[in-house]
Amino acid sequence: DAKTTQPPSMDCAEGRAANLPCNHSTISGNEYVYWYRQIHSQGPQYIIHGLKNNETNEMASLIITEDRKSSTLILPHATLRDTAVYYCIVRVGEYGGSQGNLIFGKGTKLSVKP
Amino acid sequence: NAGVTQTPKFRILKIGQSMTLQCTQDMNHNYMYWYRQDPGMGLKLIYYSVGAGITDKGEVPNGYNVSRSTTEDFPLRLELAAPSQTSVYFCASSLSSGPYGYTFGSGTRLTVV
Repeated sequence: DAKTTQPPSMDCAEGRAANLPCNHSTISGNEYVYWYRQIHSQGPQYIIHGLKNNETNEMASLIITEDRKSSTLILPHATLRDTAVYYCIVRVGEYGGSQGNLIFGKGTKLSVKP
Repeated sequence: NAGVTQTPKFRILKIGQSMTLQCTQDMNHNYMYWYRQDPGMGLKLIYYSVGAGITDKGEVPNGYNVSRSTTEDFPLRLELAAPSQTSVYFCASSLSSGPYGYTFGSGTRLTVV
């Protein structure tokens, strides 16, 4: 079972920041938080990951709370093309065998509206 | 780089037929995975491989087989297709153990009638 909890759906106005929350209250010290998105039945796309520090790349920012029990993915200026299902996943960093497998929940369906 | 390539993109099978879904990657990734996604659901892991010659079962392996003879290729075999195997199949790869992202293919949409 997925170890994260996400709202099933969210709306965002085009051009505004989209803030997608994720709860992972049972996260272990060696587990990273990963975010992927899936646009209309395409293959999932990796967005960003982090351990405990906030992270930023060209796609998004990841804010992880100090206790690491929750995180927020921020799309700073959402566009219509950001409409997708966003998956928050926790996984160990260094692993062997099945530990590294990503376990997908149902994610959050983000709808960006004009 | 092409990334992860899956063929075919679409296929209709009759009950009891067999087929192989092809997956190849050109990134020299050691780890490869097969997932299936049913309508409105998240992805479920079928099989994975941590290197050539090494495969293992995921969450939903029944009705499927895999092989990994090379680093690049990870085909998924369906034997005796059943309607319950109607799904979208995604192949993915990652560099190795460690905090790396996965690269996914574009998927194969399979219908069993």
